[in-house]
Amino acid sequence: GAVVSQHPSWVICKSGTSVKIECRSLDFQATTMFWYRQFPKQSLMLMATSNEGSKATYEQGVEKDKFLINHASLTLSTLTVTSAHPEDSSFYICSVGGGGVDTQYFGPGTRLTVL
Amino acid sequence: GQSLEQPSEVTAVEGAIVQINCTYQTSGFYGLSWYQQHDGGAPTFLSYNALDGLEETGRFSSFLSRSDSYGYLLLQELQMKDSASYFCAVASTGGFKTIFGAGTRLFVKA
Repeated sequence: GAVVSQHPSWVICKSGTSVKIECRSLDFQATTMFWYRQFPKQSLMLMATSNEGSKATYEQGVEKDKFLINHASLTLSTLTVTSAHPEDSSFYICSVGGGGVDTQYFGPGTRLTVL
Repeated sequence: GQSLEQPSEVTAVEGAIVQINCTYQTSGFYGLSWYQQHDGGAPTFLSYNALDGLEETGRFSSFLSRSDSYGYLLLQELQMKDSASYFCAVASTGGFKTIFGAGTRLFVKA
């Protein structure tokens, strides 16, 4: 399956600052990547679909101006949490499709804590 | 809309067999997947069913009934390391995206 990395693995920031999370597909050219958010003991909530070379598609209720997604190449998508607040503290995970919708390969996740 | 239902928790003993059920409602169905997630880690893919029937992969098997909008994950010869959360997920043809259930937390006791 595809190997996906994320950086950083964890980050602590002050309220009001912006944080960028990188998702890299190491061995698979991904025209589409997915960003999820997971709160403790809850399910994965799809935030947006990142499309290489075009705008991301956001799920209902996700603020596109707050969660900026850039998919500039077939191997890299970035999620920027702008003006972060404590309620944005969560586990952010990206995934890459394995050549079909049947399989998603996930990055290791980024744990964001906003103070 | 889309929704998936699965039990919140299941407890079983080492060596036993456990079945985790999942029912789903979706507009446009492509297949049912199962993922495992240990605390603090990312989900890992376990299995996928696009057609009715049973798929077996080692100690894990997954079943799908499209007419009943129902599937299950069967874990045999349970081991302590199987203690984790298990998510069923549907791949929707609408947007080629995956929607996850709330997850079932499996506790394996010695």
